[in-house]
Amino acid sequence: DTQMTQSPASLSASVGDRVTITCQASHDIRNSLNWYQQKPGKAPKLLIYDAYNLERGVPSRFSGSGSGTDFSLTISSLQPEDSATYFCQQYGNPLPITFGQGTRLEIK
Amino acid sequence: EVQLLESGGGLVQPGGSLRLSCTASGLTLNTYVMSWVRQAPGKGLEWVSGMSSYGGRTYYADSVKGRFTISRDNSKNTLYLQMNSLRAEDTGVYYCAKGWVGFDWYFDLWGRGTPVTVSS
Repeated sequence: DTQMTQSPASLSASVGDRVTITCQASHDIRNSLNWYQQKPGKAPKLLIYDAYNLERGVPSRFSGSGSGTDFSLTISSLQPEDSATYFCQQYGNPLPITFGQGTRLEIK
Repeated sequence: EVQLLESGGGLVQPGGSLRLSCTASGLTLNTYVMSWVRQAPGKGLEWVSGMSSYGGRTYYADSVKGRFTISRDNSKNTLYLQMNSLRAEDTGVYYCAKGWVGFDWYFDLWGRGTPVTVSS
């Protein structure tokens, strides 16, 4: 199975900051990597699919990059509503699907 | 409105069974890959099981293989998760999630989740 190592586990940043979260896969997953945002008591929301594609309706301050084993999610200018937990998810072939451990993002 | 609605969660004793349902409206379930994802209290997301579009090939996490069964009723546009031999570590909120077609397992639509508690 492909394991995902996500970092940092938590971070605190100010409005307007640039923030980057990383995920490392234990095997080459090409670009089969997605990013989600989850707020307390809510279902996850898809932000980025296939490493760098922005999901419809997601603000352009979110971006994804990487391929193979190393990936990142960047928020270019942090907004108060971005306070949430972020998860990466891989779906390399063959399955199973695995998620990163999550990054809790707090706005100072 | 396109949505997924889970039901069937509840309190069950260790060793017991539950069947979760996920009913879709505004979309045809068998067109897409579908999955169940769970979240233990205060923890991260764990993929549990998935089903491919059309052909209905099934996939399971090692933690539930042999105990859980995913299925679909196309006439009811409903996805199911039969959970047997439940353990305390199966406790959590269970989400139904819609992917895309082929092997595109990115989930762009989620239900609100149904809580499962395994306790004596």
